[in-house]
Amino acid sequence: DVKVTQSSRYLVKRTGEKVFLECVQDMDHENMFWYRQDPGLGLRLIYFSYDVKMKEKGDIPEGYSVSREKKERFSLILESASTNQTSMYLCASSLVTVYNEQFFGPGTRLTVL
Amino acid sequence: AQSVAQPEDQVNVAEGNPLTVKCTYSVSGNPYLFWYVQYPNRGLQFLLKYITGDNLVKGSYGFEAEFNKSQTSFHLKKPSALVSDSALYFCAVNAGNMLTFGGGTRLMVKP
Repeated sequence: DVKVTQSSRYLVKRTGEKVFLECVQDMDHENMFWYRQDPGLGLRLIYFSYDVKMKEKGDIPEGYSVSREKKERFSLILESASTNQTSMYLCASSLVTVYNEQFFGPGTRLTVL
Repeated sequence: AQSVAQPEDQVNVAEGNPLTVKCTYSVSGNPYLFWYVQYPNRGLQFLLKYITGDNLVKGSYGFEAEFNKSQTSFHLKKPSALVSDSALYFCAVNAGNMLTFGGGTRLMVKP
């Protein structure tokens, strides 16, 4: 089974802090994704990566950056956390073709005070 | 631009009754359609997908979905609901490089 793990289930940070969310997948998938999930809005794509050191902006990249130094690891960075970034963050991975399903991690619930 | 609509925030059904969770989409080109389920405090799990071929797609846990090109719909169905089916369901479409998700529908199955 594909396993996607995220470094924290719950995280509480202060406004202005730099926040790192880590995601690791163990199935050698080319694609990795970061989403945020908010009630009524579904999942919105922040960034995705289709190869090491490659990244593409999603629908809501503002206030976020990403890093993919190794194929299995994809990090989401909040350079200066703000209260409107309080959300559930989900990482996913998939094979490269568009009709392959994505596999999701358990999520990180981030609260910014 | 592609989009997905799930018109119902919540669907209530009695255990043993059939259930339908609705999804409509808008996309240019051929759509690849997906259903995911999210149980409390967990990530999304893949249920089923439509790529091409038979319009009725069968997936995990007894769920199925019907692709209707003329109505641009991909409704999720199950003949007999279980209390354990209570969860948040998401429809998604991929017609390019990215998945676009609907807002989600909460399914409540009552004993």
